[in-house]
Amino acid sequence: DIQMTQSPASLSASLGETVTIECLASEDIYSNLAWYQQKPGKSPQLLIYYANSLNDGVPSRFSGSGSGTQYSLKINSLQSEDVSIYFCQQNYDSPWTFGGGTKLELK
Amino acid sequence: EVQLVESGGGLVQPGRSLKLSCAASGFTFSNYGMAWVCQAPTKGLEWVASISTGGGNTYYRDSVKGRFTISRDNAKNTLYLQMDSLRSEDTATYYCARRDYSGDEYFDYWGQGVMVTVSS
Repeated sequence: DIQMTQSPASLSASLGETVTIECLASEDIYSNLAWYQQKPGKSPQLLIYYANSLNDGVPSRFSGSGSGTQYSLKINSLQSEDVSIYFCQQNYDSPWTFGGGTKLELK
Repeated sequence: EVQLVESGGGLVQPGRSLKLSCAASGFTFSNYGMAWVCQAPTKGLEWVASISTGGGNTYYRDSVKGRFTISRDNAKNTLYLQMDSLRSEDTATYYCARRDYSGDEYFDYWGQGVMVTVSS
């Protein structure tokens, strides 16, 4: 199975700040990488697919980048509604696997 | 508006069975592959099973192969997960999720989730 390692596990940032979350795959996943946001008590929502494609309706302050085994999610100008847990997921090879999550809180 | 509404969860004893349903609306259900993804309490997400548009192709994670069966009824716009020989480690919230239109295994819509607790 492809292991997905996210860092950091938790993150505290101030409003307006830029934050970056990293995701490392145990092997090359050829940009088959999605990012999800899960707000407290809610189901996950797709933010980014194919490493850098923004899903419909997702604010442009979210962006994804990376290739090979290393990927990142960047949030510009942090808003209060961005407090969530963020997960990466590889869809290159079955079983489709998720990172352990990054909990983003406001400082 | 795309809606996925799960039902059928609850408390069940180890070794028993449970069948989850997911009612879909707001899109042409038969055009999309579907999946189940679970999340154990305070844990991360884990893909469970996927099914193709017509139901002819199904895929499972190893830990549920032979115990769980994913199926769909396109006439009823409903996805199912038959869970047999349940174990305590199956305790989780189960989400119904829609696969991307291209068939790729990322999930663009999720239901609200249904809790399954396996305990004696």
